[in-house]
Amino acid sequence: AAGVIQSPRHLIKEKRETATLKCYPIPRHDTVYWYQQGPGQDPQFLISFYEKMQSDKGSIPDRFSAQQFSDYHSELNMSSLELGDSALYFCASSLAETPLHFGNGTRLTVT
Amino acid sequence: KQEVTQIPAALSVPEGENLVLNCSFTDSAIYNLQWFRQDPGKGLTSLLLIQSSQREQTSGRLNASLDKSSGRSTLYIAASQPGDSATYLCAVRPSGGYNKLIFGAGTRLAVHP
Repeated sequence: AAGVIQSPRHLIKEKRETATLKCYPIPRHDTVYWYQQGPGQDPQFLISFYEKMQSDKGSIPDRFSAQQFSDYHSELNMSSLELGDSALYFCASSLAETPLHFGNGTRLTVT
Repeated sequence: KQEVTQIPAALSVPEGENLVLNCSFTDSAIYNLQWFRQDPGKGLTSLLLIQSSQREQTSGRLNASLDKSSGRSTLYIAASQPGDSATYLCAVRPSGGYNKLIFGAGTRLAVHP
């Protein structure tokens, strides 16, 4: 069965650079969620989209933005990167109130 | 605001022991509760999902229970093995709308031979 696909798997950027993470949800899933997991921490909710509209917002910095496109894939854009942005970024998708399915994550390292 | 707490934060046991990991949440208005396993630097593997109307779920050596009224869930691991070593995360999904999962900080389990 198709799963949530995230790209890239690994990304190395320097401070003040910009990064774009991509998420391809399971086909027919209508909701996408983004999470950030710092070293040794639990996943923190960033933002979610339902039917291409932002549905909820968590602790997402103003330097980050996200959107969901007409084909339901989502992108997380991160600007003016800081060392503290180094983390695992997970995307998850669901259909209505079905369980969330998580991707394998993108590991972002900021040097 | 929903908060999820997991106890203990870390656990080290010899192989073969039966284990209980605890999860508590502050708001009983949940749609479901999910237990995940995470290996270091890896993704989240869903272990068990308990709907709010259910009391427990079982998969192999794993059994998860839910007491929604008291805001508690336990994950029972029978006959632990070194391959069970990982971090176990509990997450609740609040009811009312297509809500996000709220995670606990996890229990880091080490099973030694």
